[in-house]
Amino acid sequence: GENVEQHPSTLSVQEGDSAVIKCTYSDSASNYFPWYKQELGKGPQLIIDIRSNVGEKKDQRIAVTLNKTAKHFSLHITETQPEDSAVYFCAAQTGGAGSYQLTFGKGTKLSVIP
Amino acid sequence: GAVVSQHPSRVICKSGTSVKIECRSLDFQATTMFWYRQFPKKSLMLMATSNEGSKATYEQGVEKDKFLINHASLTLSTLTVTSAHPEDSSFYICSARDFRNTDTQYFGPGTRLTVL
Repeated sequence: GENVEQHPSTLSVQEGDSAVIKCTYSDSASNYFPWYKQELGKGPQLIIDIRSNVGEKKDQRIAVTLNKTAKHFSLHITETQPEDSAVYFCAAQTGGAGSYQLTFGKGTKLSVIP
Repeated sequence: GAVVSQHPSRVICKSGTSVKIECRSLDFQATTMFWYRQFPKKSLMLMATSNEGSKATYEQGVEKDKFLINHASLTLSTLTVTSAHPEDSSFYICSARDFRNTDTQYFGPGTRLTVL
C-alpha cells in the first residue's frame, strides 16, 4: 500500500518568514495530494490540493509543488502569520475502482513566533 | 460550501455502554464517508469506508462488531461504539467525499469520546 513520509515533524519560524513542509510517497499510482491544517481539538481543514497532472498550484500565501518523478510534494507558506500555527498533514490518494482512501503523513507542528 | 458536521462534539460515557456519533454533509451529497480515529499528537488512522446503501469496509485490525457503521442516506453516516471501554477513548473524525468532486474529502470537527 501507499506510504507517506512527512518532514519536519516540528517547525518554528518567525512571523513573516516562509515555511516549507515536504512529503514523499511510495505508490506511483497516487494521483491526488491534499494538504490539511488541523488546529487543536478540531477536525482537519483542507487548505490546498494538487492533482498529478499539475506541477504547481498557488492560492494567495500558500503553494504546493509536485514532482511525480521523484514522488515528492511540498507545501510552501509565505509571509507566515501567528494564525498559521497549527499541525499540517499531507496526504496521498490512489483513486480508481471506487477506492478514494487517503494515506496521511505523520504531521508537522508549525509554530509562528510573533 | 462543503460543510461536514458531527454530533456530539464531546461525549463521556461509562464502560460497557454504547455511544453513537453522527456525521452529516450539510450542503452536498456524499456517496462515500470515512471514519478516522486520532490519538493525541498522532496522525489520522482510517477505520472504515462507508458507502451509501452498502456495508462499510473496515481496515485491518478494526473490529466491525465493535464499531458499527451505518450510511443510510447520502448525507448521514453514523458510528456506534458498542460496549465501550477506556481504551476506546479517542478523537473520532469523519470525512465525506462530494460525489461531484470524487477526489476531495471534507472533514467534520471531530468527536472527543471519553470512556470512564
